[in-house]
Amino acid sequence: GENVEQHPSTLSVQEGDSAVIKCTYSDSASNYFPWYKQELGKRPQLIIDIRSNVGEKKDQRIAVTLNKTAKHFSLHITETQPEDSAVYFCAATPGDYKLSFGAGTTVTVRA
Amino acid sequence: EAGVAQSPRYKIIEKRQSVAFWCNPISGHATLYWYQQILGQGPKLLIQFQNNGVVDDSQLPKDRFSAERLKGVDSTLKIQPAKLEDSAVYLCASGKGVNEQFFGPGTRLTVL
Repeated sequence: GENVEQHPSTLSVQEGDSAVIKCTYSDSASNYFPWYKQELGKRPQLIIDIRSNVGEKKDQRIAVTLNKTAKHFSLHITETQPEDSAVYFCAATPGDYKLSFGAGTTVTVRA
Repeated sequence: EAGVAQSPRYKIIEKRQSVAFWCNPISGHATLYWYQQILGQGPKLLIQFQNNGVVDDSQLPKDRFSAERLKGVDSTLKIQPAKLEDSAVYLCASGKGVNEQFFGPGTRLTVL
């Protein structure tokens, strides 16, 4: 099955700076890569996703890049704000709807 | 659009007891998932339903866990008997297809 590794496990950034989270996957058949944000005690919520036929996708301050050859993808958050503080999970699926999640990155934005 | 509903939100039981969780997916979503999220980890898929049929239950500990989705709508997940290591948040998610999954608020289970 798919194995997703995520780094770093914790990330502390100054408000206004950028944050980058990286994930690698093992199954070359994976073709869908979502990112979820989970605030303390709340449900994971999809913030952005990318499919294997696209190399980069951007939505306001959030962007995701995908390198299929190297089997890694990254989440970029620019101009971080305190409300960006949360746990972020990457995931991958080979198209059978079964998501394999990374272990999560706890992002803390310092005011 | 109403979201995925789960109940109860919290449950505390002693080891070897039984417990059941309920999930009501978003209307029209054929696919339903149960995940286990242990503190500090990402969600781990336990079982996936397509309508009322099981698509994948390869990571479900079948000696103690069971799940059903009668009539292809609501689903229940049962643990019998519970162990200490079952303490986790149990998340239900549903999807219409094309991968995107919507999560419910979860049930936090504590086994003492």
